[in-house]
Amino acid sequence: DTAVSQTPKYLVTQMGNDKSIKCEQNLGHDTMYWYKQDSKKFLKIMFSYNNKELIINETVPNRFSPKSPDKAHLNLHINSLELGDSAVYFCASSQEYIAGGGETQYFGPGTRLLVL
Amino acid sequence: QQQVKQSPQSLIVQKGGISIINCAYENTAFDYFPWYQQFPGKGPALLIAIRPDVSEKKEGRFTISFNKSAKQFSLHIMDSQPGDSATYFCAAGDGTYKYIFGTGTRLKVLA
Repeated sequence: DTAVSQTPKYLVTQMGNDKSIKCEQNLGHDTMYWYKQDSKKFLKIMFSYNNKELIINETVPNRFSPKSPDKAHLNLHINSLELGDSAVYFCASSQEYIAGGGETQYFGPGTRLLVL
Repeated sequence: QQQVKQSPQSLIVQKGGISIINCAYENTAFDYFPWYQQFPGKGPALLIAIRPDVSEKKEGRFTISFNKSAKQFSLHIMDSQPGDSATYFCAAGDGTYKYIFGTGTRLKVLA
């Protein structure tokens, strides 16, 4: 029944390692997102994909690379992890935005990344 | 111009009281204003949303007030309950698949 799921829920790793976070949605949505929430709870969009195409790419280090194998999945790979990457990463999905309608973004439970 | 300013940063309210959280924006292209509620350890979830063609929207104990000329909107939680204790985010969207989120308000409702 889970609408947006992420794995893993917790990720503890050493600086310099490469790690991936997986996201899946079973809502049939066209658009998926990655957000980063820092220790002060500030929520900032990183990437967005619509029908497997990258449509939003905020100012994010190129160590972060999203991949969307199909509409239901959006994974996030992080190379050469740094201390400052420690945060909670949320995946979200929504239907395509229709002007005059507005869409709801459905968030996953988050992946808590701690870089030591 | 892309910022959404949210206040207060934290709020403590007695049970049964009214909680009020305010947001202000600058970009007039924003046309969708949702509020999200986040409990500890969970992802944000949509609470209520408004479009600028109406000045107020009410759903149960939650009301959004919207002032288009002032470019401000606010969330009012009537009869606040301890179960409402969470972090609340306002957001604004302009149809480009991107939301700009406010900085969040941590609400604590005392029993």
